[in-house]
Amino acid sequence: SQTIHQWPATLVQPVGSPLSLECTVEGTSNPNLYWYRQAAGRGLQLLFYSVGIGQISSEVPQNLSASRPQDRQFILSSKKLLLSDSGFYLCAQGQGYEQYFGPGTRLTVT
Amino acid sequence: AQTVTQSQPEMSVQEAETVTLSCTYDTSESDYYLFWYKQPPSRQMILVIRQEAYKQQNATENRFSVNFQKAAKSFSLKISDSQLGDAAMYFCAYLAPGTYKYIFGTGTRLKVLA
Repeated sequence: SQTIHQWPATLVQPVGSPLSLECTVEGTSNPNLYWYRQAAGRGLQLLFYSVGIGQISSEVPQNLSASRPQDRQFILSSKKLLLSDSGFYLCAQGQGYEQYFGPGTRLTVT
Repeated sequence: AQTVTQSQPEMSVQEAETVTLSCTYDTSESDYYLFWYKQPPSRQMILVIRQEAYKQQNATENRFSVNFQKAAKSFSLKISDSQLGDAAMYFCAYLAPGTYKYIFGTGTRLKVLA
């Protein structure tokens, strides 16, 4: 079965600092990978998805970027964090029509 | 564009009772997939149940079942014999085949009262 790892689990960063969140997947190959953000009390906002190495589609123009350097690794980055980047970040993998989520990273920008 | 609407921000149910969470969606597609996800306090998203639009039979998973009304574009979740562990945020989601973009509703917070 698939396992999705995300780290760090929690992160507190000052405004203007860089960001790197990592997601790795086990137990599957060539998955579709997704980054979502969930603001407090809100639903899930799709940020990026990837159907293969080096293939990234952006859904929301903002100061975040994503990369997929390996088949089962998906990274979310920012050069300069904004207060509005605070939230809960979820990585998900999908094959077929089902999606499975990682445990998430809680990011607080101060 | 497709949209998913959950009009109940919060619901409460007595333990062992039955509760129904509502979800409506808008699409011009005839074939698609619908899902209910559960997000407990741990924030881990868990797939509860899925429904293929081409199937007329409503999906069932143990105490969880759906009422899929394709013409009305309605997809409600029924939880029978509610348990304390059912307390969570529940999200309805839509996926059009051949796409990779899941569209989520804003969620319904379910409280289970002992």
